[in-house]
Amino acid sequence: SQTIHQWPATLVQPVGSPLSLECTVEGTSNPNLYWYRQAAGRGLQLLFYSVGIGQISSEVPQNLSASRPQDRQFILSSKKLLLSDSGFYLCAWSVTTGDEAFFGQGTRLTVV
Amino acid sequence: TQLLEQSPQFLSIQEGENLTVYCNSSSVFSSLQWYRQEPGEGPVLLVTVVTGGEVKKLKRLTFQFGDARKDSSLHITAAQPGDTGLYLCAGADYTDKLIFGTGTRLQVFP
Repeated sequence: SQTIHQWPATLVQPVGSPLSLECTVEGTSNPNLYWYRQAAGRGLQLLFYSVGIGQISSEVPQNLSASRPQDRQFILSSKKLLLSDSGFYLCAWSVTTGDEAFFGQGTRLTVV
Repeated sequence: TQLLEQSPQFLSIQEGENLTVYCNSSSVFSSLQWYRQEPGEGPVLLVTVVTGGEVKKLKRLTFQFGDARKDSSLHITAAQPGDTGLYLCAGADYTDKLIFGTGTRLQVFP
C-alpha cells in the first residue's frame, strides 16, 4: 500500500534561518506531488507542484523553493525565513491530476 | 490566479438541521473534489465529481457539480456532531494543478 511521510511535525525557527521540509512517498511511482500551506482554519494555498523528477511548477512568488531530486521525494526549502512563512505545511501526492490526493500529517512551522 | 470561493466561511448549527456549502469559481475544472479535514491532520477525500450536472450521494451528504463545471455544492441532511470539521472543495484543472477552496468550518452542536 502507498504511504506518505512528512517531517518534522513541528518546527520553530528564527527569522532569517534556512528551512528544509522533506516529504517521501512509498508504494507508487511517478506520482504528482504537491506542497500546500494552510492558515489556521482556512483553505489550502498551492505553493508548488511536480509531475516528474526535476519538474517543479511554482504557484506563488515567495522566498520558498521546491525540489524533486528523486521520483518520490519532494523538498520544500528557504534560504531565509520570514515571519509570514509561519503556517501549516502539507505535502500531498496523487496518481494523476484529478485523482484523490493523499496528504501527509503536515508540518506546523512557527517563525519567531 | 484560479480561485475557489467557498461560502459560508463558518457555519454553526444544531444537531438535526440541514445545511448547504457552496464552492464557486470563474474557472472550468475537469473534476471537483470535496475533502474533510480534522485539526492537525491532512484533508481526507469525501467524493469526486467529474461530469457537469452530476449528483452524488454519500449517506446524508449530497454533492452536485454545476452544469458548467465551475461550481459545486455540498448538502448535509440532519447534521450530526460527528460532521463537525473543515470542509474543502478542490478543483483539478487541465494543467495538473489541484486548487483548494477557501474552506468552510462547520460546527454541529448536540
